[in-house]
Amino acid sequence: DTGVSQNPRHKITKRGQNVTFRCDPISEHNRLYWYRQTLGQGPEFLTYFQNEAQLEKSRLLSDRFSAERPKGSFSTLEIQRTEQGDSAMYLCASSLRESDGYTFGSGTRLTVV
Amino acid sequence: AQSVTQLDSQVPVFEEAPVELRCNYSSSVSVYLFWYVQYPNQGLQLLLKYLSGSTLVESINGFEAEFNKSQTSFHLRKPSGHISDTAEYFCAVSEANFGNEKLTFGTGTRLTIIP
Repeated sequence: DTGVSQNPRHKITKRGQNVTFRCDPISEHNRLYWYRQTLGQGPEFLTYFQNEAQLEKSRLLSDRFSAERPKGSFSTLEIQRTEQGDSAMYLCASSLRESDGYTFGSGTRLTVV
Repeated sequence: AQSVTQLDSQVPVFEEAPVELRCNYSSSVSVYLFWYVQYPNQGLQLLLKYLSGSTLVESINGFEAEFNKSQTSFHLRKPSGHISDTAEYFCAVSEANFGNEKLTFGTGTRLTIIP
């Protein structure tokens, strides 16, 4: 397995545009997580899936953000009407069990201009 | 809800000197504790974890961390720092077996090993 894959690696978009990021977890991992990391901060939790079910969403996830994991495989994170404050590194991680810890992807860096 | 405090945002250490990165957590229930490392231009990698049992856990590259329940700490140590240890280190906590599986991260400590 090649690990957790995230695409694209970088995205520059104009304010007000919609963007979508993709995450392909390790194939046998049923848990998938999205985090956001800004400069000088640790990763902040956004949302969590177990198989295809979205079990928890952070209050950070405004109604402009939506995430899906159809069929419990890859996941997408969409941000509508992007704002400059959305500029950050968006991280995806997966795991098989809570006690395993996460395997992270390399992230998608979003810049909103 | 759990939280993590990493008081030191930057730790400079001369090469071959001992390294200590501090981590304190807060939680009302039993926890799992993790240290992650982020090398320049790379993703986060799991360094070591504490689940239960022995309070001292070790990684393959010489780091160790000790779980101290009374002090709610999980400090990371290495007897002798190496240039290749220069990276950002994040401490993280999750609530063990309570169905709340998200990791809460600290703000990170940038370790710089000085030649």
